[in-house]
Amino acid sequence: GAVVSQHPSRVICKSGTSVKIECRSLDFQATTMFWYRQFPKQSLMLMATSNEGSKATYEQGVEKDKFLINHASLTLSTLTVTSAHPEDSSFYICSARPRGPGLASEQYFGPGTRLTVT
Amino acid sequence: AQSVAQPEDQVNVAEGNPLTVKCTYSVSGNPYLFWYVQYPNRGLQFLLKYITGDNLVKGSYGFEAEFNKSQTSFHLKKPSALVSDSALYFCAVRATYRDDKIIFGKGTRLHILP
Repeated sequence: GAVVSQHPSRVICKSGTSVKIECRSLDFQATTMFWYRQFPKQSLMLMATSNEGSKATYEQGVEKDKFLINHASLTLSTLTVTSAHPEDSSFYICSARPRGPGLASEQYFGPGTRLTVT
Repeated sequence: AQSVAQPEDQVNVAEGNPLTVKCTYSVSGNPYLFWYVQYPNRGLQFLLKYITGDNLVKGSYGFEAEFNKSQTSFHLKKPSALVSDSALYFCAVRATYRDDKIIFGKGTRLHILP
């Protein structure tokens, strides 16, 4: 089946530093990748939609300059949290939709990255 | 705007009993509906989806869901619960006229009691 990996699985960083999270589709090409944020005991909130070779589309309320998204290839998207603060601590999950027929294909999710900003 | 409601924060079921996790949706036009499961500190695993066709959809691990257009519901069911089914379950919807955006419900924690 389709596998999506994320790296790192856990990261602790100091306030004011930046951290990069990678999302890779291992056995398929993904023209579209998605980044979600999940707070404890809450649902996934879509942060942005990333299309290969073009700028990401951010959801309302998500700071583009703070959460930098790059989708450099059909198998890799990165999320960089710039100048991280403790309130950015969260579980970040990416997903990828395989190239294929229209909207009927489901998204495949990565295992998530736990970010803790101290 | 499209939305998903999961009215129960938690559902407790005895092992071996049937289980139902409720989901209702609101979307313009025809929906694509999904169920995902999340285990602690893990990403989401796809269970099943409804696109078109039979209202009863069968998915992974013995789960099934019934699409009811008149009630705008897509409840998740399993005839006999296992302790290993204990997890967080998310219902999700995508409007067919939209691009890729999926909206998730808030999740329902399922506890299967031994």
